[in-house]
Amino acid sequence: QKEVEQNSGPLSVPEGAIASLNCTYSDRVSQSFFWYRQYSGKSPELIMSIYSNGDKEDGRFTAQLNKASQYVSLLIRDSQPSDSATYLCAVNSYMEYGNKLVFGAGTILRVKS
Amino acid sequence: EAQVTQNPRYLITVTGKKLTVTCSQNMNHEYMSWYRQDPGLGLRQIYYSMNVEVTDKGDVPEGYKVSRKEKRNFPLILESPSPNQTSLYFCASSLVAASTDTQYFGPGTRLTVL
Repeated sequence: QKEVEQNSGPLSVPEGAIASLNCTYSDRVSQSFFWYRQYSGKSPELIMSIYSNGDKEDGRFTAQLNKASQYVSLLIRDSQPSDSATYLCAVNSYMEYGNKLVFGAGTILRVKS
Repeated sequence: EAQVTQNPRYLITVTGKKLTVTCSQNMNHEYMSWYRQDPGLGLRQIYYSMNVEVTDKGDVPEGYKVSRKEKRNFPLILESPSPNQTSLYFCASSLVAASTDTQYFGPGTRLTVL
């Protein structure tokens, strides 16, 4: 079974700080990596996708990918209380028919004002 | 508005009483999927469908059925619900099942089986 591992948290950071969320995956052939944000009782929403080694920045969010280490991370700069949510890491897994997303259990982030 | 809808949003039922959770998308997506989400376990795939009349089991299919008679609809059927199926359920869709496709999620259905 292909796996995606995340620290469940909660990760607590003060407002304005950088929040660092980490994820490791077991499938070496995975090529696509996604971060979803999920507020309590709501559906996941995509905030970042990354396909190549290195960094990808979008506003306050930066995704980092290291395929050799099978590691992907999400940095949130200038964290705001509205960033408090569960962050799900998802990794594609190649199947016979196409691709499937495998999700981690999520990291709870709490931003304290 | 492009969206995935689910009904009902909340459901409390009793063991053994058949139920159906509907899912519909208006984005002309080929691929649709059902997940359940339980604390500490993340999203686990129940069933998926590559296209009309093409469905297959995901990681946790026991106790569930699905059908895909039209591209836009992908209902989840629990023939004889049991308490261990109490969970938060999400339907999702994407254009196809490409590695770079974004999955769009419905609002979720919170099911309680007594």
